[in-house]
Amino acid sequence: DTGVSQDPRHKITKRGQNVTFRCDPISEHNRLYWYRQTLGQGPEFLTYFQNEAQLEKSRLLSDRFSAERPKGSFSTLEIQRTEQGDSAMYLCASSYTQNEQFFGPGTRLTVL
Amino acid sequence: GESVGLHLPTLSVQEGDNSIINCAYSNSASDYFIWYKQESGKGPQFIIDIRSNMDKRQGQRVTVLLNKTVKHLSLQIAATQPGDSAVYFCAENGGNNNDMRFGAGTRLTVKP
Repeated sequence: DTGVSQDPRHKITKRGQNVTFRCDPISEHNRLYWYRQTLGQGPEFLTYFQNEAQLEKSRLLSDRFSAERPKGSFSTLEIQRTEQGDSAMYLCASSYTQNEQFFGPGTRLTVL
Repeated sequence: GESVGLHLPTLSVQEGDNSIINCAYSNSASDYFIWYKQESGKGPQFIIDIRSNMDKRQGQRVTVLLNKTVKHLSLQIAATQPGDSAVYFCAENGGNNNDMRFGAGTRLTVKP
């Protein structure tokens, strides 16, 4: 257990529905990252927060995706109008410096 | 385009043998590299990191070697144990510590 928690661990939804995932980073970490991982692939960067500011977004983060970190602590990732191609593991990581990122267990999303 | 990749998708070793997992990268701007271990159903777990001003770094039973000339990274695991069975990813920062880029991973299987 790295100290990064994610909720829910699994989510099954129907195409077109909205889903929201939560990440609670290690408390003293000011940096928070979201990644997406599909089967057999490495994690792909989605977005990054330093405190409450979203400083970087990947082009993978389409308009249907939005992430927030309102108080610089926990973060949420929302996917609107889900598509089958959104099915993946969504990983959150946090770090204190620009070095080691500690990953949570992930939220596995299945879109039917 | 520039990418991180692994030479072999799978590696099978006998318990007690040493394992070597390789990774090639092509982004010459990368100056920080991490090896992660990912077990089924879990998020990636940090193993060891190395900066570009070093060519070798040792941890407990693990050694990372960096050859900047040929843009090659390797992870050596000494006396491999069944608990080492997992998928191993190398990740590079592409010169930007906010965006770790992962390879596709190598699945290590340790035979008893």
